[in-house]
Amino acid sequence: GAGVSQSPSNKVTEKGKDVELRCDPISGHTALYWYRQRLGQGLEFLIYFQGNSAPDKSGLPSDRFSAERTGESVSTLTIQRTQQEDSAVYLCASSPKRGGFQFFGPGTRLTVL
Amino acid sequence: GEDVEQSPFLSVREGDSSVINCTYTDSSSTYLYWYKQEPGAGLQLLTYIFSNMDMKQDQRLTVLLNKKDKHLSLRIADTQTGDSAIYFCAETMNSGYSTLTFGKGTMLLVSP
Repeated sequence: GAGVSQSPSNKVTEKGKDVELRCDPISGHTALYWYRQRLGQGLEFLIYFQGNSAPDKSGLPSDRFSAERTGESVSTLTIQRTQQEDSAVYLCASSPKRGGFQFFGPGTRLTVL
Repeated sequence: GEDVEQSPFLSVREGDSSVINCTYTDSSSTYLYWYKQEPGAGLQLLTYIFSNMDMKQDQRLTVLLNKKDKHLSLRIADTQTGDSAIYFCAETMNSGYSTLTFGKGTMLLVSP
């Protein structure tokens, strides 16, 4: 596709369950970012991948959060033992290079009951 | 730490100009951005300005940067109902890294 895609678009889960969110960046984009947007808030940085370098995980809020990226393609964000405060929209962005403009996907709305 | 502040809400009439303001604290920011978010959609990059510029104009959009006061504004001329959305100001935390720091957004409501 032409843009960043994310799946699922909506996810409802029960407290304590694990969830996986997927991001397909724009082809050829080496940098990939995950952000979280809580209701009425701006975006919080979570994690950043650049090519084959070690990811910057400094924004991950707890060790229940992890993310992987295979090469310069798909990324998955995993939240283990979900809590109600994890409810948010999770946005993925990619950019063609380090320092390039970020293009955002439509997000995954996660609701933890 | 770095922080980006925006007023939460702005209401204008169709045809008027809208001015959305933003203040930031990181004096080392290199790029400042305006993103638009429509309901249920991701963020769309509207425009950006490099920190050594004072002004940038792009069709109906004018960005003004006062680096001394760390104040950024977005002016939308001839505002239309389709401009109703949440507008986010963002800055890069540092030039080599490019992780964005976002404000909480300004909801622009355009009434007919």
